[in-house]
Amino acid sequence: EDQVTQSPEALRLQEGESSSLNCSYTVSGLRGLFWYRQDPGKGPEFLFTLYSAGEEKEKERLKATLTKKESFLHITAPKPEDSATYLCAVMYSSASKIIFGSGTRLSIRP
Amino acid sequence: NAGVTQTPKFRILKIGQSMTLQCTQDMNHNYMYWYRQDPGMGLKLIYYSVGAGITDKGEVPNGYNVSRSTTEDFPLRLELAAPSQTSVYFCASIPLGGGYNEQFFGPGTRLTVL
Repeated sequence: EDQVTQSPEALRLQEGESSSLNCSYTVSGLRGLFWYRQDPGKGPEFLFTLYSAGEEKEKERLKATLTKKESFLHITAPKPEDSATYLCAVMYSSASKIIFGSGTRLSIRP
Repeated sequence: NAGVTQTPKFRILKIGQSMTLQCTQDMNHNYMYWYRQDPGMGLKLIYYSVGAGITDKGEVPNGYNVSRSTTEDFPLRLELAAPSQTSVYFCASIPLGGGYNEQFFGPGTRLTVL
């Protein structure tokens, strides 16, 4: 079954405490993997797209990496404003279907 | 460009009523998607379209219908609304071609079925 699994479901960190979020996928014909940030009551906000194993992208305190089976979103020295739900999605198959994981709720304490 | 627009922003339906959620994009994107998001959950794909006249089912299509007569518009139809369809609905689009970059999302429609 095609699916995207994110872990952990929730993560509470102290300000400055670095960590990683995981996104594993089981789909055929991966065409791209997306990371989004979502604040309460808002739509998803685009962060990164990764296309092939070994690829890495960075934006401020965030770094996304991709292997053949999973992706990691590394957050370095987070700040309270990084608190949000982080969503992972994959585009796959010749029909360009895009499905999401259930998200990781990240909370950063000052 | 206005991007992806959705109407209405909020709607309350009674059980058994029908309605159409509108989605329009002005970026000439071929690929369009409808998702629903229940409280505290991720997005579930309802239907998607890779171009005018072409639609396909996603993960949770039951109780919904779509059409794609133009590149710009991708309306979602709810027939015989049920409380289980209470959710936030997001429409998204992505350009065709190499370098997909990102899905552009609309602001969402909050639907309550009572």
